[in-house]
Amino acid sequence: NAGVMQNPRHLVRRRGQEARLRCSPMKGHSHVYWYRQLPEEGLKFMVYLQKENIIDESGMPKERFSAEFPKEGPSILRIQQVVRGDSAAYFCASSSRDVPLGRSEAFFGQGTRLTVV
Amino acid sequence: AQSVAQPEDQVNVAEGNPLTVKCTYSVSGNPYLFWYVQYPNRGLQFLLKYITGDNLVKGSYGFEAEFNKSQTSFHLKKPSALVSDSALYFCAVYMDTGRRALTFGSGTRLQVQP
Repeated sequence: NAGVMQNPRHLVRRRGQEARLRCSPMKGHSHVYWYRQLPEEGLKFMVYLQKENIIDESGMPKERFSAEFPKEGPSILRIQQVVRGDSAAYFCASSSRDVPLGRSEAFFGQGTRLTVV
Repeated sequence: AQSVAQPEDQVNVAEGNPLTVKCTYSVSGNPYLFWYVQYPNRGLQFLLKYITGDNLVKGSYGFEAEFNKSQTSFHLKKPSALVSDSALYFCAVYMDTGRRALTFGSGTRLQVQP
């Protein structure tokens, strides 16, 4: 059973371009969480999605950021018109049910490191 | 609102000595508490969790944590540190109400010297 897969591992974008980050949850998991980690900082919650639904996007910046988790395919975190301040590691986690309703922990991917130049 | 604090940015310990990484939490109900470890350029790996029951929780790689409700703490411990334990450690809290995701502390870097 493959773990949470994120791609690309590293992404370089020029200011003003779009960044698309992909996350394939573990098999059987229908809950996806996106977190952002700035250098030397902890993880900040961005958004929680279930298949075709955004459950909690209270951590998402109001502009330029969007996320989806379609019925088929990976979850996508999309950042439009990137700025230097968007440079960070973006981690995706998945769980089989609400953490920890099913007594399950969230499993994390290895992250996508976005660098805006 | 739920929050978690890790008061130490870095903890240094000699190999073979016991280690403690501190975590305190602030929630309005009964928390679910977690510890994760992050190695360089890697994602987070689950270490252990407290849901209910025994206050002393045992996890992966010989780590354990003690839930102390009166002190609102959930310190991570290991009796004998290894150099390979050197990494970034995150405490996290989850509540059934409010934000339905883990809230993480700022992390503590553990450095184990040979």
